[in-house]
Amino acid sequence: DIQMTQSPSSLSASVGDRVTITCRASQGIRNDLGWYQQKPGKAPKRLIYAASSLQSGVPSRFSGSGSGTEFTLTISSLQPEDFATYYCLQHNSYPHAFGPGTKVDV
Amino acid sequence: QVQLQESGPGLVKPSGTLSLTCTVSGFSISSGYYWDWIRQPPGKGLEWIGSIYHSGSTYYNPSLKSRVTISLDASKNQFSLKLSSVTAADTAVYYCKRRGATTDYWGQGTLVTVSS
Repeated sequence: DIQMTQSPSSLSASVGDRVTITCRASQGIRNDLGWYQQKPGKAPKRLIYAASSLQSGVPSRFSGSGSGTEFTLTISSLQPEDFATYYCLQHNSYPHAFGPGTKVDV
Repeated sequence: QVQLQESGPGLVKPSGTLSLTCTVSGFSISSGYYWDWIRQPPGKGLEWIGSIYHSGSTYYNPSLKSRVTISLDASKNQFSLKLSSVTAADTAVYYCKRRGATTDYWGQGTLVTVSS
């Protein structure tokens, strides 16, 4: 099974900061990775699909990159509504697997 | 607009079977896509439970495989999750979702508590 790790597990940031979150897969998954944002009490929302494609309706300050085993999610200028927990999800092979999450707070 | 809604008992007794249904509107589940179940224990991360393809093929998380069954009822435009022999560790918010290459739809989630 493919294991997903994320770093950092949490970070403190301020409005306007550039934020980068890293996700690593235990084996190559091509670009079969999505990034999700989850706010308390809400279902996750996909921000990025295919590692680097911006989901329709998602602000352009979010971007994704990477392929194979290492991926990054970047928020170019953190906004107040971006304080949330972020997860990566690999869907290259079964079982699909989420990363453990990165909590972004003030 | 595609919408998904989970339904089922919010309380299940230990050793019992958790049964949830996801009702889909705005799209016929027999027309395509993978249909997934995800769960999230209180205060913890997301766990992929399993998937069913519109053709009926299923894929399960090995950590749950012996206890999980996902099925599809095209006539009702629903798919379902059954998890047997539940314990307190199965207490979680359960989400259903439609997985697509460029689209991704989730239900709002339903909390299932395992307790006597």
